[in-house]
Amino acid sequence: AQKVTQAQTEISVVEKEDVTLDCVYETRDTTYYLFWYKQPPSGELVFLIRRNSFDEQNEISGRYSWNFQKSTSSFNFTITASQVVDSAVYFCALTGGSGTYKYIFGTGTRLKVLA
Amino acid sequence: GAGVSQSPSNKVTEKGKDVELRCDPISGHTALYWYRQRLGQGLEFLIYFQGNSAPDKSGLPSDRFSAERTGESVSTLTIQRTQQEDSAVYLCASSLVPGPIGNTIYFGEGSWLTVV
Repeated sequence: AQKVTQAQTEISVVEKEDVTLDCVYETRDTTYYLFWYKQPPSGELVFLIRRNSFDEQNEISGRYSWNFQKSTSSFNFTITASQVVDSAVYFCALTGGSGTYKYIFGTGTRLKVLA
Repeated sequence: GAGVSQSPSNKVTEKGKDVELRCDPISGHTALYWYRQRLGQGLEFLIYFQGNSAPDKSGLPSDRFSAERTGESVSTLTIQRTQQEDSAVYLCASSLVPGPIGNTIYFGEGSWLTVV
């Protein structure tokens, strides 16, 4: 069975601090895809990144970076120099490559960035 | 429109009444998903459509829940005889094609349902 665990329920940081959101996944598929979504207070989930299981290169996009490690089944997300606008709930998600269409979401991590 | 559109944005209904929630996916997206998110909780998968067919309805919480899709476009999620535990945000998402190639799914803003 597939599973996504986001152990951090809520994190509070002060503006300009770096913060890492953890995501650990379980799957038996050899081909799978991982995602991060941001859900700001407005409620709409915003897509941030998609990564397939064959690409373990870290990715950086502005202040955002992602560290994918198959050895530890983790896909962690780091925000550098956090800003108040980063305050949101962040979800990690997984879908398999064996014909499944389900996107399994973690329970989310609420990030509060304080001014 | 450019994104996934859902209506109504907010719905307050009395216990026992039926409600219909509508989703208009991104044009050309053949896959459509419904999720439920209770307050402060994660996303709970409800149902998935490939075209107008729903290969898997196992996520629907009870027989009071049903969904349909027509014209490979608009989908309606119907909740009959609503209960207070149905109060949640109902999120619709769509993607170009369904798995297994792991396409990104894009979400609407959700329909906030409150059963009083």
